[in-house]
Parts: sequence; structure tokens; C-alpha cells
Amino acid sequence: GESVGLHLPTLSVQEGDNSIINCAYSNSASDYFIWYKQESGKGPQFIIDIRSNMDKRQGQRVTVLLNKTVKHLSLQIAATQPGDSAVYFCAENIVSNFGNEKLTFGTGTRLTIIP
Amino acid sequence: NAGVTQTPKFQVLKTGQSMTLQCAQDMNHEYMSWYRQDPGMGLRLIHYSVGAGITDQGEVPNGYNVSRSTTEDFPLRLLSAAPSQTSVYFCASSYSMGAVPYEQYFGPGTRLTVT
Repeated sequence: GESVGLHLPTLSVQEGDNSIINCAYSNSASDYFIWYKQESGKGPQFIIDIRSNMDKRQGQRVTVLLNKTVKHLSLQIAATQPGDSAVYFCAENIVSNFGNEKLTFGTGTRLTIIP
Repeated sequence: NAGVTQTPKFQVLKTGQSMTLQCAQDMNHEYMSWYRQDPGMGLRLIHYSVGAGITDQGEVPNGYNVSRSTTEDFPLRLLSAAPSQTSVYFCASSYSMGAVPYEQYFGPGTRLTVT
């Protein structure tokens, strides 16, 4: 199975409401996590990242929460807008055999903002 | 500053044909990588490079070759195309401190169909 997964494949939220997208990871050695946004027909776009020595990080309208105890990551988007409709991926870094670190992505959650 | 560019945008191959997907970045990033994205799945890492002359395998390297002769370019070669390689391919780049891939910038993708 995948080491990074999502609880819900789809999420619909009324415009203006807050949304929460969840992600579970299985590798307790992971120390770096990223959220990406992918709009239809485009490549993923970096949203926000967090290191394992933090449990919360805020950006513009977005907050990432990290719970290392239960290996859970969430992305909160405040006051959602139609432009927030996209697929959101979480990713974690996993150390390879050579000590170089590379990201492993989850399957994604499709967020739909209802006008 | 063009960011990460990929060519071609679309390609149709017959089984057994070979081709090279081009990727270039003008941000002087050390870290570059190739992912494939299949319907309903997250991005899976094919190959990556932490600098010119250094490459390593990702999660799904079979059937693909890479080389990194310059910092700017990271081509992906399909040796003998198979229908299972039908996918959307994304190239990404980032700075790296040590070997950690920080914020990755993705190209627009190449949609490949193998018949």
C-alpha cells in the first residue's frame, strides 16, 4: 500500500466556508511534508510545507497542521473561493538507500467549491 | 524567467518506439525529477537528479532512462514504449540544501499515449 494516503477522495465546500483536507502518512522517519494544488491540465503548484519539528504553519488563507503522534497531516483553507477548486496532494520525504531524499505523493483529494 | 519547460505537450507513440521527453529549467536548480501521473493516482517518481552528472532511480524507473549532463536539462528517454507507459509526465526542479528537495516547481506536463 501507499505510505501516504488521504481519508477522502472528494470534498465539496460552499464558497466562503473553510475546508479541511486530511492526509495520513506511515513513515515515522519522514521529516518534511508539502501540500500541492493541481488545477486541471496543469502541473502541481506548491502551497505550503512543514517540517517535523513544527506542528503548525500558516500561509495566506492556508494552514498546515502536523500530528506526528498519529502521523496525520491536514490542510485548512479559509474562506474558500472558486479558484480553490482543484486536486490537492500531500507529499512526504523519504530517505533513499543513498541518503538522498525524495518526495512520495498521496493520491490526492478533489476539492470542489460550490458557488 | 521561463521556469520549468517541457516538450512536447502531447505525443502518440506506437508500441516499441522510443522517444525523449525534454525538460529544461532556467532557475539554476540543482535538484530535478521526473514523475508520472495516472488517473486516480498521485504522482510517482521515475528518476531524479541532485546535480549534473548524478542521477538515481525513483519508485517506477523500469523502461526509462535519464541523464544530467548540464544543470539546466534533464531529458527522460523511453527505450521501447509500452501501453502501460501511457500517462502524463511531469518534470520538476528545486534548490536543494544538502539533498532535501525543497519547494519544487513543476512543468506543464507531457501527455503521452502509447497504442
